[in-house]
Amino acid sequence: DGGITQSPKYLFRKEGQNVTLSCEQNLNHDAMYWYRQDPGQGLRLIYYSQIVNDFQKGDIAEGYSVSREKKESFPLTVTSAQKNPTAFYLCASRRLADQETQYFGPGTRLLVL
Amino acid sequence: AQTVTQSQPEMSVQEAETVTLSCTYDTSESNYYLFWYKQPPSRQMILVIRQEAYKQQNATENRFSVNFQKAAKSFSLKISDSQLGDTAMYFCATRYSGAGSYQLTFGKGTKLSVIP
Repeated sequence: DGGITQSPKYLFRKEGQNVTLSCEQNLNHDAMYWYRQDPGQGLRLIYYSQIVNDFQKGDIAEGYSVSREKKESFPLTVTSAQKNPTAFYLCASRRLADQETQYFGPGTRLLVL
Repeated sequence: AQTVTQSQPEMSVQEAETVTLSCTYDTSESNYYLFWYKQPPSRQMILVIRQEAYKQQNATENRFSVNFQKAAKSFSLKISDSQLGDTAMYFCATRYSGAGSYQLTFGKGTKLSVIP
């Protein structure tokens, strides 16, 4: 089945530790996005990528980094510089020809120990 | 800049009844799209319905329909014959095409509970 997968479902981070969230899609979509969701808030854009080896900062990129070495994969690293990382992280993808619709993965819940 | 406002943090509706969720937005774009996404307890974001701003006809998808008032920048979602499976957070969003990103700007959501 085609879709977007995110792993792990839950992730625990210790103080000062970098952690990486995985996002993989087999929809042959060109563009991929990372959003952060906090309680009582809508989703906020962290980073996006429209093609391999290119990515752009979103509204809240500080403390995060990404890479896009393959079309199918867009991992997000939460660095130690992100002081409030506890949140729900959602990955999405979109066909470039479809300017409108983004499809979302199931999300990763990140908690700080 | 894009902003999306959902003024109803929580709503409830009896099963089989109709409910309307409100959304207002502001955008600097002339050609834009509006969306309603559903997030059930599983937290998977699911597209419910979308509206192209240049189309005057309101979009419908089975029991879901929108009331798009372009001049008022209003985009409400009507759910008819509410079902227990409609219990979820509902997010209104607008697409921002700046720099070709086509990123989405979301409201803070409305938590809908369908009561048996």
